[in-house]
Order: sequence, then C-alpha cells, then structure tokens
Amino acid sequence: AQKVTQAQTEISVVEKEDVTLDCVYETRDTTYYLFWYKQPPSGELVFLIRRNSFDEQNEISGRYSWDFQKSTSSFNFTITASQVVDSAVYFCALSGSGSARQLTFGSGTQLTVLP
Amino acid sequence: DAGVIQSPRHEVTEMGQEVTLRCKPISGHNSLFWYRQTMMRGLELLIYFNNNVPIDDSGMPEDRFSAKMPNASFSTLKIQPSEPRDSAVYFCASSPRTNSNQPQHFGDGTRLSIL
Repeated sequence: AQKVTQAQTEISVVEKEDVTLDCVYETRDTTYYLFWYKQPPSGELVFLIRRNSFDEQNEISGRYSWDFQKSTSSFNFTITASQVVDSAVYFCALSGSGSARQLTFGSGTQLTVLP
Repeated sequence: DAGVIQSPRHEVTEMGQEVTLRCKPISGHNSLFWYRQTMMRGLELLIYFNNNVPIDDSGMPEDRFSAKMPNASFSTLKIQPSEPRDSAVYFCASSPRTNSNQPQHFGDGTRLSIL
C-alpha cells in the first residue's frame, strides 16, 4: 500500500519569508514517482513538479525548490521569498510503477502568506 | 492547447435525482481519471481508464456510481440516485500515456451539492 503524509495542516507566514512544506511517503515499489500540486482558492489543481525515484537531484524553479531524500522517504517543497499569491493548499502525491497508475495524495497543507 | 474540460462547474440538485458529470480530456491523452475531494477524505481516486477501458474502479463508493468512456475524448460519471453524502468536488484528470511518470492534468472540477 502507498501512503503520503503531510503533517503540516496549516502554515502561516509573512510575505517574503521562506517556507518549507514537508512530505513523507511510503511505498514498496522500487520505481515510483512523486508530485506536487497546488490548489489555489479558485479550486483548480495545478501541477508543479514530478520526480522519479531514480533522480535524487534537487530542483529549483524560480522561487520554488524541491528536496528529495530517498533515505528518509521525504520530498519537501520550499518557497523562497513567499508572496501573497502563493497562498493555496499544496498537495504531495505518489504513484507507483506497474499497474498502480493512480495518484495517492497527501492530505494537503494550507499555506497562508500574509501581507 | 485546451486543458481538461469539465462540465458543469457547479451542480445543485435534490437527493434522489440522477447526476451526470462530464469530462473532455486533453487531446492525445489516453489515460483518464476521476477523483473526488471532500473535507473528510481529501482527494481520492474513484476510477481510471486507459485507452477508454476501465482499469481500476475499486474507488467507486457503491453501485450508485458508474463511469463510462465511450471514446477517447469524452467520459461521464453518473450518480443515480444521488444522496447528500455525495456532495463533493469531482475532478477529472488526464495524462499522456499509460506510464505513471507522466503528470496528470486536472480539470477545474465540478462542485456538486445534493440537498
């Protein structure tokens, strides 16, 4: 069985602060894929990043960065210099290989960036 | 390119009525997924299709729920008869291939309220 845990239910920061959203996963697959999605107040789900289990190289995209640590089964997401527009619910998700095509989502972290 | 298109965006109906949610996946995508989002259960997969064929419907709550994909560009999720506990946001997503490293792209969702 697969499981994704986002222990932080809600986080509030002041604009320009850095913030890290935690994600811990469980899977028995040796090949798997990790994702982050953003759900702004308007409700849609926006794909942010995909990472496969063979690629532990960290990635940076503008103010966003992701830290994949296979040894601790974590895939954390950092927003640098947060902005009010970053306020959203962020979901970490996992999919396996083989027949397990579906995404298993974490419960999400509500991020509020205050002006 | 157009994203995943869902209709209607909002649906309010009385319990006992039949509800049909519609989805048009991104052209060329051959995997289609239906998810349900509630406060209590978060995002959960209901069913997914590969090449128009249902692969895993283990997430469908009960026989009142049914899904079809008559062709590559259209899918429906039907609830008959509807109950208040079916109230949720229903998302459709599609991905390019039957390969789990491809991200799923989500529609804007249908917010369903059963009175």
